[in-house]
Order: sequence, then C-alpha cells, then structure tokens
Amino acid sequence: RKEVEQDPGPFNVPEGATVAFNCTYSNSASQSFFWYRQDCRKEPKLLMSVYSSGNEDGRFTAQLNRASQYISLLIRDSKLSDSATYLCVVNRGSYIPTFGRGTSLIVHP
Amino acid sequence: SQTIHQWPATLVQPVGSPLSLECTVEGTSNPNLYWYRQAAGRGLQLLFYSVGIGQISSEVPQNLSASRPQDRQFILSSKKLLLSDSGFYLCAWSARENQPQHFGDGTRLSIL
Repeated sequence: RKEVEQDPGPFNVPEGATVAFNCTYSNSASQSFFWYRQDCRKEPKLLMSVYSSGNEDGRFTAQLNRASQYISLLIRDSKLSDSATYLCVVNRGSYIPTFGRGTSLIVHP
Repeated sequence: SQTIHQWPATLVQPVGSPLSLECTVEGTSNPNLYWYRQAAGRGLQLLFYSVGIGQISSEVPQNLSASRPQDRQFILSSKKLLLSDSGFYLCAWSARENQPQHFGDGTRLSIL
C-alpha cells in the first residue's frame, strides 16, 4: 500500500457544485496533514492545514479521520478558478513530508 | 514575512553541460531546505534536503548534487547533464519538522 494515496481524477464538476476529495495514508503515526493546490506548470501552494477537529476557510473545509486514516477536502460553490490539482501531504514527525500524486479538478461553466 | 526566491525560471541546456540552480530564503533563520523534481504529469520527487549549513541528505542517487554554503542558500548542481534531468525543479523551505513547506516559483529545465 502506498504511503499516501489519492484518486487522480479528473473530477469534472459544474460551477456552483460541491466536490469532495479524500486522501488515505498508511502510517498511523502520522502527525500533520496539509492540502496544497498546484496549477498547471506552477509550484504547489499551501491551501490549508488539516486539524483534528476539522477546519474551514471560506468555501473550503478540511477534515481528518484518524480511525480510518484519511483526510478530506470539501469545496463548496465551485468556481472556474478552483480548477487545479489538489495535493495531499502527510508528515509523520520527520523533516520529510509525503506528497500524494494529486487529484485533478476541472470546474466547467 | 518569509519569501523564497529561485532562479532562473526557465533554462535550456545541452546534454553534458553543467548546471547550477540557486534558491534563497528571506525572513527566517535555520530553515529546512529541499530540492524536488517534478516530471511532466507526475508527482514530486524529493532530491535533497538540508536541516543546517553544510548538511545535505540525498534521497535519490543520481547525476545531481546539492550544497548549502549559507544558512538560507541552497544550490543544486550537476557536472554533466543528462537528457533524463529535464523537468520542473522546485526549491522549498519549512520552519521545522511537521510544519508545511513553502515552494519557490520553480525552474523549468529542458535538456537538448
């Protein structure tokens, strides 16, 4: 089993839709979790950290399920500008985080 | 606030030529520094990381090397580039373990 797994997609959704991505991780000792966004031919940018109690930033909600070892990202009211690849990152308390391969999101008019 | 600078943005080099990519971080001290490569349509591959001046850890044996001559400077080098060295090279920093990484704009390297 890969250390961090994501459905590569693409997820094709219309504007205004709600879409959710999951990311599973294999190491139960993992300590910190993040979602990044990467636009085509650009660097990854930190979207949000994921906290145990769940957290929200505008239209974005991140949740952590330690029992089932996954994190999720929910995007409400999708915009065309949300089209990107979303990377899940898991860190088990070392200097080296593990990146998922990413989930591609395409929001269409 | 902290910023990370990486240059050049694009580079076209012939096979067998040397390489030097530079990355600097401002606004923080003793950052953890990282070099990644991303092939087209692929995930991030960690090449090197450093937790202090002069300390380099290599993740993948290859044609590249890294150096950290100053606290906030990280350099990626090669003596002789191969065709397989083409890709998108990203420098990143983090404050300490378990903290998120922040990436530079990247260098798109094409080998001819």
